[in-house]
Amino acid sequence: EAQVTQNPRYLITVTGKKLTVTCSQNMNHEYMSWYRQDPGLGLRQIYYSMNVEVTDKGDVPEGYKVSRKEKRNFPLILESPSPNQTSLYFCASSLSEGGVTGELFFGEGSRLTVL
Amino acid sequence: AQSVAQPEDQVNVAEGNPLTVKCTYSVSGNPYLFWYVQYPNRGLQFLLKYITGDNLVKGSYGFEAEFNKSQTSFHLKKPSALVSDSALYFCAVRVVSYNTDKLIFGTGTRLQVFP
Repeated sequence: EAQVTQNPRYLITVTGKKLTVTCSQNMNHEYMSWYRQDPGLGLRQIYYSMNVEVTDKGDVPEGYKVSRKEKRNFPLILESPSPNQTSLYFCASSLSEGGVTGELFFGEGSRLTVL
Repeated sequence: AQSVAQPEDQVNVAEGNPLTVKCTYSVSGNPYLFWYVQYPNRGLQFLLKYITGDNLVKGSYGFEAEFNKSQTSFHLKKPSALVSDSALYFCAVRVVSYNTDKLIFGTGTRLQVFP
């Protein structure tokens, strides 16, 4: 089954404790992206990757890191989480032939709470 | 600035009645437009897209959207609403520049269909 898998789905952590949210897709997609969803703000892009070893900042990259060492995985790293990073996070992927003109496939989301 | 707007936070409609969820956009060049739906505790799912061609685009679950260049709008429509259509709907537009190619999402519109 074609899917984007995120883990963990739910996490409560404390300020400053490093954490990683994993994202994996099995569709051989080139394009992958991380979004955060906050009430009244919709989805905002954190980082994206057009292909392996190519990553770029989105609209709200502060406090986050990513890596794309292999095509299927695109982990999101919070080196020192803060309460303002409490949010619902989504990973998405797309074929990206000729740019992001195709549909994005989303994971189920990871709800993160930073105390 | 390139952007997409969803002017209504919530739309209420009775089952069996037609529904419209509004979206307007602001981009340079020809727009690539998308609609996504989010059911509770799930990731976003692709509904339909406009790239070029007919102004009326048909998508999943009986939804359609009308592209209007003069009004810079891409409203989502369905002739007869179902209770199961109740969800959060997001409009998105592709933004392309020399160093980026991504989707920007609106803030979302919650559709409530009453029996």
